[in-house]
Amino acid sequence: DTAVSQTPKYLVTQMGNDKSIKCEQNLGHDTMYWYKQDSKKFLKIMFSYNNKELIINETVPNRFSPKSPDKAHLNLHINSLELGDSAVYFCASSRIPASGGAEDTQYFGPGTRLTVL
Amino acid sequence: GESVGLHLPTLSVQEGDNSIINCAYSNSASDYFIWYKQESGKGPQFIIDIRSNMDKRQGQRVTVLLNKTVKHLSLQIAATQPGDSAVYFCAENMDNFNKFYFGSGTKLNVKP
Repeated sequence: DTAVSQTPKYLVTQMGNDKSIKCEQNLGHDTMYWYKQDSKKFLKIMFSYNNKELIINETVPNRFSPKSPDKAHLNLHINSLELGDSAVYFCASSRIPASGGAEDTQYFGPGTRLTVL
Repeated sequence: GESVGLHLPTLSVQEGDNSIINCAYSNSASDYFIWYKQESGKGPQFIIDIRSNMDKRQGQRVTVLLNKTVKHLSLQIAATQPGDSAVYFCAENMDNFNKFYFGSGTKLNVKP
């Protein structure tokens, strides 16, 4: 059984379009994250939700809007897609927010490769 | 074989040799560190962690060393296997900050 799942796995779209990526975790975790990994494999946190509440909002364009309908889901909606948005987006979850302990180990999804043409 | 992070992002080793992957972290206030392994087409996977009150921690075939004086972390993999081929990241966390900062990653190629 997949612990953290993302859909779609691949997303190819035109500049200016609006798209969404969905994430679900079946681990019973309270905290979920979105990361962006660029072509050089650099992994950077974008957002984090704890119990459906936004706790981390890094410097991300407001074209990116996360939505957490419940603890098990964190979706990412992107408006007016730009070429620079092309990347692999990873969802992750942890039992508690990252605080420097074993309980906050993050489990990552398989990633969504977004290509903006 | 040994890597030096950004200056040598790819490390090639022979199967059976030991590998050492290095990471320089940025913040002296960081007190918790994790090594992740990312295989091609997959998300990062937890390997081993270490707190700043330790300088060494061992797992199964892996050892993490922490040198807080020079803000350096290393991952040693014993008897490297083809299945160890992946990109390895270190991540640091500062207490009271609910997030991890990831290093740039080192690609490990294991030659049979």
